[in-house]
Amino acid sequence: AQKVTQAQTEISVVEKEDVTLDCVYETRDTTYYLFWYKQPPSGELVFLIRRNSFDEQNEISGRYSWNFQKSTSSFNFTITASQVVDSAVYFCALSGSNDYKLSFGAGTTVTVRA
Amino acid sequence: DGGITQSPKYLFRKEGQNVTLSCEQNLNHDAMYWYRQDPGQGLRLIYYSQIVNDFQKGDIAEGYSVSREKKESFPLTVTSAQKNPTAFYLCASKGPGAGAHNEQFFGPGTRLTVL
Repeated sequence: AQKVTQAQTEISVVEKEDVTLDCVYETRDTTYYLFWYKQPPSGELVFLIRRNSFDEQNEISGRYSWNFQKSTSSFNFTITASQVVDSAVYFCALSGSNDYKLSFGAGTTVTVRA
Repeated sequence: DGGITQSPKYLFRKEGQNVTLSCEQNLNHDAMYWYRQDPGQGLRLIYYSQIVNDFQKGDIAEGYSVSREKKESFPLTVTSAQKNPTAFYLCASKGPGAGAHNEQFFGPGTRLTVL
């Protein structure tokens, strides 16, 4: 069984601060896939990134960066120089190699204040 | 434009009524999914379908039914047997193929309220 834990329920920051969202996962699969999604107030989930278990290279996309560490089963997400438009709920998710399903964490609500 | 559409955006139902939520995709994706989201919670899987004419129960299938007669469409019926149906419902699809490595793409959601 797959499990994803996002221990931070809510994070509130002032604009331009950095914010890091934690994601810890559990799986028995040796091959698996990790995802991050953003859910703005409109409700639709927006795909942000996918990471394979055999690729531990960190990734940066604009103000977003991701730190994948298999040794600690973590896939953390950092928003640099946050903006009000970053206010949303962020979900971490996991899929095993033979899974057709995604297991989601409970989500972290990020509020960026001007 | 390619994407996933869900209708209606808001739906009100009286207790004891069945209602059907629509989900259509023109992405040529094989797999489709229905999730339920309650306030302050993550997404829970209701049903999923990997190919036409085949579907499987997810984690919370009781009180729901689906069909997959066409690749593009995966409607969800919320029956009167569902004890607490008020929630936000999200449809998703994945492709090409239904492999685990592919990300799911989501529709805009339907907010169902039982009066």
